[in-house]
Amino acid sequence: DIQMTQSPSSLSASVGDRVTITCQASQDISNYLNWYQQKPGKAPKLLIYDASNLETGVPSRFSGSGSGTDFTFTISSLQPEDIATYYCQQYDNLPRTFGQGTKVEIK
Amino acid sequence: QVQLQESGPGLVKPSQTLSLTCTVSGGSISSGSYYWSWIRQPAGKGLEWIGRIYTSGSTNYNPSLKSRVTISVDTSKNQFSLKLSSVTAADTAVYYCARADLYGSGGVFDYWGQGTLVTVSS
Repeated sequence: DIQMTQSPSSLSASVGDRVTITCQASQDISNYLNWYQQKPGKAPKLLIYDASNLETGVPSRFSGSGSGTDFTFTISSLQPEDIATYYCQQYDNLPRTFGQGTKVEIK
Repeated sequence: QVQLQESGPGLVKPSQTLSLTCTVSGGSISSGSYYWSWIRQPAGKGLEWIGRIYTSGSTNYNPSLKSRVTISVDTSKNQFSLKLSSVTAADTAVYYCARADLYGSGGVFDYWGQGTLVTVSS
């Protein structure tokens, strides 16, 4: 299985701050990486696919970059409604695997 | 707008079989080319992909669960189902069904059900 390692596991930032989350794959996955947002008690929501493509309807303050084994997810200006846990997920190989999640809180 | 809805018992006894169904609305499960997956999440933990079934009926399972998992589809009811046998407390989780289209070999989960909590306890 491909292991996905996210960091940090949690972070606290102020409204308007730039927030960055990293995800590292245990092997080269090209750009076959997604980012999801999960709010408490809700299903995950797709934000970014192919490492950097914004899903339709997702605010442009969300972005992703990277390829190979190292990926970055950024919220350019943190908003109160962005409080959630964020997961990366690879789809280069089966089984599909997710990072352990990064919980984003407001300071 | 496609919608997915999980249903099934919320409590299963140890050693028994967990059975869940995902009903798809807003589109036919057999039209187009889609992969229909099950994903689970223990309380306070991360997401684990269980397996999937393609529109044609072919399946792929997570090797960690493969010996206990069966995913099937009932096109007449627009549903697909999960059976997980010989459950233990470690199988207690919120179970989600999700859709992925052919783009990315079925690896981009664009629609999810709301999730259903299954507790394994005697």
